[in-house]
Amino acid sequence: AQSVTQLGSHVSVSEGALVLLRCNYSSSVPPYLFWYVQYPNQGLQLLLKYTSAATLVKGINGFEAEFKKSETSFHLTKPSAHMSDAAEYFCAVSIYSGSARQLTFGSGTQLTVLP
Amino acid sequence: GAGVSQTPSNKVTEKGKYVELRCDPISGHTALYWYRQSLGQGPEFLIYFQGTGAADDSGLPNDRFFAVRPEGSVSTLKIQRTERGDSAVYLCASSPPGSREQFFGPGTRLTVL
Repeated sequence: AQSVTQLGSHVSVSEGALVLLRCNYSSSVPPYLFWYVQYPNQGLQLLLKYTSAATLVKGINGFEAEFKKSETSFHLTKPSAHMSDAAEYFCAVSIYSGSARQLTFGSGTQLTVLP
Repeated sequence: GAGVSQTPSNKVTEKGKYVELRCDPISGHTALYWYRQSLGQGPEFLIYFQGTGAADDSGLPNDRFFAVRPEGSVSTLKIQRTERGDSAVYLCASSPPGSREQFFGPGTRLTVL
């Protein structure tokens, strides 16, 4: 079975500072990994995805993530935080096994951006 | 183009009542998923459809929960004898053929009083 751990349920950064949201996964087979963002009262929007091609993945809104197999990590970064980045972020893993196709999500990290 | 839509956006019901939640996937998407998101948690998988059939319903918590997708497009999640613990946001997602990327709808917030 696969699982995802997001370290830090709440992260606060100043506007213009580096954003680092941590995600570690557990999987018995090569995973596909995703980061989603959720704004209040909205659904999930895909930020970026790792699908076994390049280990450094660039997404929307200036976010990127690096897949590190040795560390089983897929941390999300952005060089300079913007006020509009304040939202909840979810890391997810997808494994195709038998009939299983679902995403397994972490518990989320709430990002606050301080002026 | 149109995204995944879910109706209603909010549903308030009383304990013991029956509710139906509807999901309209993106046109042409063959896979459809239901997830449940409790307050402060990540979404949890409920059921996955490939076409009209439920390929994996291992996430349904008990037999009060049931979902259908009779024509391979719109899906309905049905909850019988609702309990206060069923209160959550129910999310629907769909995927095009051959893709692992899931496109999510805005969710239905269910409140059981």
